Amino acid sequence: QPVLTQSPSASAPLGASVKLTCTLSSGHSTYAITWHQQRPEKGPQYLMKVNSDGSHSKGDGIPDRFSGSSSGAERYVSISRLQSEDEADYYCQTWDARGIGVFGGGTKLTVL
Amino acid sequence: QVQLQQSGPGLVKPSQTLSLTCAISGDSVSSNTAAWNWIRQSPSRGLEWLGRTFYRSKWYNDYAVSVKSRITFNADTSKNQFSLQLNSVTPDDAAVYYCARDLGGFLLSWGQGILVTVSS
Repeated sequence: QPVLTQSPSASAPLGASVKLTCTLSSGHSTYAITWHQQRPEKGPQYLMKVNSDGSHSKGDGIPDRFSGSSSGAERYVSISRLQSEDEADYYCQTWDARGIGVFGGGTKLTVL
Repeated sequence: QVQLQQSGPGLVKPSQTLSLTCAISGDSVSSNTAAWNWIRQSPSRGLEWLGRTFYRSKWYNDYAVSVKSRITFNADTSKNQFSLQLNSVTPDDAAVYYCARDLGGFLLSWGQGILVTVSS
Protein backbone atom coordinates (compact mmCIF):
# COMPACT_ATOMS: atom_id res chain seq x y z
CA GLN A 1 0.00 0.00 0.00
CA PRO A 2 1.39 3.45 -0.85
CA VAL A 3 2.40 5.79 1.95
CA LEU A 4 2.18 9.54 1.43
CA THR A 5 4.61 11.73 3.36
CA GLN A 6 4.10 15.44 3.92
CA SER A 7 5.99 17.96 5.99
CA PRO A 8 3.88 18.96 9.00
CA SER A 9 4.21 22.67 8.44
CA ALA A 10 5.19 25.37 5.98
CA SER A 11 5.07 29.13 6.00
CA ALA A 12 5.55 32.01 3.61
CA PRO A 13 4.83 35.74 3.61
CA LEU A 14 1.70 37.27 2.21
CA GLY A 15 2.11 37.78 -1.54
CA ALA A 16 4.95 35.27 -1.82
CA SER A 17 4.94 31.80 -3.37
CA VAL A 18 5.12 28.42 -1.71
CA LYS A 19 5.48 24.84 -2.90
CA LEU A 20 4.13 21.99 -0.82
CA THR A 21 5.38 18.44 -1.28
CA CYS A 22 3.79 15.02 -1.07
CA THR A 23 6.19 12.09 -1.40
CA LEU A 24 5.07 8.66 -2.51
CA SER A 25 6.68 5.62 -0.94
CA SER A 26 9.07 3.36 -2.78
CA GLY A 27 7.46 1.38 -5.57
CA HIS A 28 4.62 3.85 -6.01
CA SER A 29 6.34 6.68 -7.83
CA THR A 30 3.98 6.48 -10.82
CA TYR A 31 0.83 7.06 -8.79
CA ALA A 32 -1.33 10.10 -9.29
CA ILE A 33 -2.45 11.98 -6.20
CA THR A 34 -5.08 14.55 -5.40
CA TRP A 35 -4.64 17.63 -3.22
CA HIS A 36 -7.28 18.84 -0.80
CA GLN A 37 -7.40 22.11 1.10
CA GLN A 38 -8.95 22.35 4.53
CA ARG A 39 -9.44 25.83 5.89
CA PRO A 40 -9.81 26.28 9.66
CA GLU A 41 -13.04 24.85 11.02
CA LYS A 42 -14.11 23.72 7.55
CA GLY A 43 -14.28 20.43 5.70
CA PRO A 44 -11.75 19.48 3.03
CA GLN A 45 -12.16 20.81 -0.49
CA TYR A 46 -10.77 19.21 -3.64
CA LEU A 47 -8.01 21.28 -5.22
CA MET A 48 -6.51 19.23 -8.02
CA LYS A 49 -5.23 15.94 -9.28
CA VAL A 50 -1.54 15.67 -10.11
CA ASN A 51 -0.28 12.92 -12.38
CA SER A 52 3.20 11.43 -12.48
CA ASP A 53 4.01 13.35 -15.65
CA GLY A 54 3.21 16.63 -13.91
CA SER A 55 -0.07 17.25 -15.64
CA HIS A 56 -2.80 18.37 -13.33
CA SER A 57 -6.52 19.10 -13.37
CA LYS A 58 -8.00 21.57 -10.93
CA GLY A 59 -11.40 21.64 -9.37
CA ASP A 60 -14.05 24.14 -10.36
CA GLY A 61 -13.32 27.62 -9.11
CA ILE A 62 -9.77 26.95 -7.98
CA PRO A 63 -7.74 30.10 -8.74
CA ASP A 64 -4.96 30.17 -11.31
CA ARG A 65 -2.59 30.90 -8.43
CA PHE A 66 -2.71 27.17 -7.67
CA SER A 67 -0.80 24.73 -9.85
CA GLY A 68 0.49 21.19 -9.64
CA SER A 69 3.66 19.45 -10.75
CA SER A 70 5.68 16.26 -10.24
CA SER A 71 9.24 15.07 -10.00
CA GLY A 72 9.92 11.40 -9.52
CA ALA A 73 8.00 10.26 -6.46
CA GLU A 74 7.20 13.81 -5.40
CA ARG A 75 3.97 15.61 -6.14
CA TYR A 76 3.64 19.31 -5.56
CA VAL A 77 1.08 22.02 -5.19
CA SER A 78 2.39 25.50 -5.77
CA ILE A 79 0.61 28.61 -4.63
CA SER A 80 1.64 32.02 -5.92
CA ARG A 81 0.68 35.47 -4.64
CA LEU A 82 -0.26 34.02 -1.28
CA GLN A 83 -3.37 35.39 0.32
CA SER A 84 -4.56 35.11 3.89
CA GLU A 85 -7.35 32.77 2.77
CA ASP A 86 -4.71 30.26 1.63
CA GLU A 87 -3.80 29.60 5.23
CA ALA A 88 -5.06 26.07 5.65
CA ASP A 89 -4.11 22.42 5.95
CA TYR A 90 -3.23 20.72 2.69
CA TYR A 91 -3.63 16.97 2.29
CA CYS A 92 -2.63 14.65 -0.49
CA GLN A 93 -4.53 11.47 -1.24
CA THR A 94 -4.22 8.46 -3.51
CA TRP A 95 -5.59 4.97 -4.03
CA ASP A 96 -3.81 1.66 -3.81
CA ALA A 97 -4.17 -1.04 -6.45
CA ARG A 98 -7.19 -2.53 -4.64
CA GLY A 99 -9.06 0.75 -4.50
CA ILE A 100 -8.22 1.52 -0.88
CA GLY A 101 -7.86 5.23 -0.11
CA VAL A 102 -4.75 6.64 1.52
CA PHE A 103 -4.14 10.14 2.90
CA GLY A 104 -0.96 11.95 3.75
CA GLY A 105 -0.54 13.46 7.19
CA GLY A 106 -1.16 16.98 5.94
CA THR A 107 0.83 20.21 5.83
CA LYS A 108 -0.27 23.22 7.83
CA LEU A 109 0.42 26.33 5.78
CA THR A 110 0.84 29.59 7.64
CA VAL A 111 0.72 32.87 5.73
CA LEU A 112 2.98 35.33 7.55
CA GLN B 1 -23.57 20.89 -8.58
CA VAL B 2 -23.43 17.87 -6.32
CA GLN B 3 -24.18 18.46 -2.66
CA LEU B 4 -23.90 16.01 0.20
CA GLN B 5 -25.88 16.56 3.39
CA GLN B 6 -24.92 14.46 6.38
CA SER B 7 -27.10 13.55 9.33
CA GLY B 8 -26.83 11.43 12.42
CA PRO B 9 -26.24 11.57 16.16
CA GLY B 10 -23.26 13.43 17.52
CA LEU B 11 -23.03 11.25 20.61
CA VAL B 12 -22.72 7.47 20.74
CA LYS B 13 -22.17 5.28 23.79
CA PRO B 14 -19.19 2.92 23.90
CA SER B 15 -19.92 -0.55 22.47
CA GLN B 16 -22.94 0.76 20.57
CA THR B 17 -23.39 1.34 16.84
CA LEU B 18 -22.63 4.60 15.09
CA SER B 19 -25.04 5.31 12.22
CA LEU B 20 -24.64 8.20 9.78
CA THR B 21 -26.44 9.10 6.58
CA CYS B 22 -25.38 11.16 3.59
CA ALA B 23 -28.14 12.53 1.35
CA ILE B 24 -27.18 13.28 -2.24
CA SER B 25 -28.43 16.06 -4.48
CA GLY B 26 -27.22 16.58 -8.03
CA ASP B 27 -26.25 12.95 -8.66
CA SER B 28 -27.62 9.48 -8.12
CA VAL B 29 -26.40 7.03 -5.51
CA SER B 30 -26.74 4.34 -8.18
CA SER B 31 -24.60 6.27 -10.66
CA ASN B 32 -22.38 4.04 -12.76
CA THR B 33 -19.48 6.49 -12.56
CA ALA B 34 -19.46 7.78 -8.98
CA ALA B 35 -18.46 6.13 -5.73
CA TRP B 36 -19.62 7.17 -2.28
CA ASN B 37 -16.98 7.36 0.40
CA TRP B 38 -16.75 7.69 4.15
CA ILE B 39 -13.76 9.42 5.71
CA ARG B 40 -13.08 10.47 9.27
CA GLN B 41 -10.71 12.93 10.86
CA SER B 42 -9.30 13.02 14.35
CA PRO B 43 -6.25 14.67 15.90
CA SER B 44 -4.63 11.28 16.48
CA ARG B 45 -5.35 9.72 13.08
CA GLY B 46 -5.58 12.70 10.73
CA LEU B 47 -7.74 12.02 7.70
CA GLU B 48 -8.60 8.33 7.54
CA TRP B 49 -10.43 6.77 4.62
CA LEU B 50 -12.98 4.24 5.87
CA GLY B 51 -14.40 2.86 2.66
CA ARG B 52 -16.80 3.37 -0.18
CA THR B 53 -19.84 1.91 -1.87
CA PHE B 54 -20.61 2.09 -5.55
CA TYR B 55 -22.88 0.62 -8.20
CA ARG B 56 -21.58 -0.98 -11.37
CA SER B 57 -24.51 -3.16 -12.42
CA LYS B 58 -24.39 -4.43 -8.85
CA TRP B 59 -23.28 -2.97 -5.55
CA TYR B 60 -19.65 -3.12 -4.46
CA ASN B 61 -17.95 -2.08 -1.25
CA ASP B 62 -14.33 -1.36 -0.39
CA TYR B 63 -13.31 -1.15 3.26
CA ALA B 64 -10.28 0.07 5.14
CA VAL B 65 -8.55 -2.80 6.91
CA SER B 66 -8.69 -0.92 10.20
CA VAL B 67 -12.50 -1.03 10.37
CA LYS B 68 -13.42 -3.83 7.97
CA SER B 69 -14.78 -6.15 10.65
CA ARG B 70 -17.04 -3.48 12.15
CA ILE B 71 -18.32 -1.39 9.26
CA THR B 72 -21.30 -1.69 6.95
CA PHE B 73 -22.43 0.51 4.09
CA ASN B 74 -25.93 0.74 2.68
CA ALA B 75 -27.43 2.64 -0.21
CA ASP B 76 -31.07 3.72 -0.33
CA THR B 77 -32.00 4.44 -3.92
CA SER B 78 -35.53 5.59 -3.01
CA LYS B 79 -34.08 8.38 -0.85
CA ASN B 80 -30.91 8.84 -2.90
CA GLN B 81 -28.66 8.49 0.10
CA PHE B 82 -26.07 6.19 1.57
CA SER B 83 -25.23 5.30 5.11
CA LEU B 84 -22.52 4.03 7.37
CA GLN B 85 -22.83 1.79 10.39
CA LEU B 86 -19.85 1.27 12.64
CA ASN B 87 -20.32 -1.34 15.34
CA SER B 88 -18.81 -1.68 18.79
CA VAL B 89 -17.48 1.86 18.93
CA THR B 90 -14.80 2.91 21.37
CA PRO B 91 -13.47 6.34 22.29
CA ASP B 92 -10.89 5.80 19.54
CA ASP B 93 -13.73 6.12 17.00
CA ALA B 94 -14.47 9.69 18.05
CA ALA B 95 -13.87 11.92 15.05
CA VAL B 96 -15.41 14.20 12.50
CA TYR B 97 -17.01 11.94 9.90
CA TYR B 98 -17.30 13.03 6.28
CA CYS B 99 -19.00 11.55 3.29
CA ALA B 100 -17.52 12.28 -0.12
CA ARG B 101 -18.26 11.66 -3.77
CA ASP B 102 -15.50 10.12 -5.82
CA LEU B 103 -15.67 10.46 -9.58
CA GLY B 104 -12.95 8.61 -11.45
CA GLY B 105 -10.65 8.65 -8.44
CA PHE B 106 -11.23 12.30 -7.58
CA LEU B 107 -12.82 13.04 -4.18
CA LEU B 108 -14.63 15.98 -5.72
CA SER B 109 -17.41 16.69 -3.27
CA TRP B 110 -17.42 16.47 0.49
CA GLY B 111 -20.21 16.62 3.03
CA GLN B 112 -20.16 19.17 5.81
CA GLY B 113 -18.88 16.72 8.40
CA ILE B 114 -20.40 15.50 11.66
CA LEU B 115 -18.53 15.50 14.93
CA VAL B 116 -19.08 12.19 16.70
CA THR B 117 -18.26 11.83 20.37
CA VAL B 118 -18.08 8.42 22.02
CA SER B 119 -19.00 8.67 25.66
CA SER B 120 -21.31 7.11 28.21
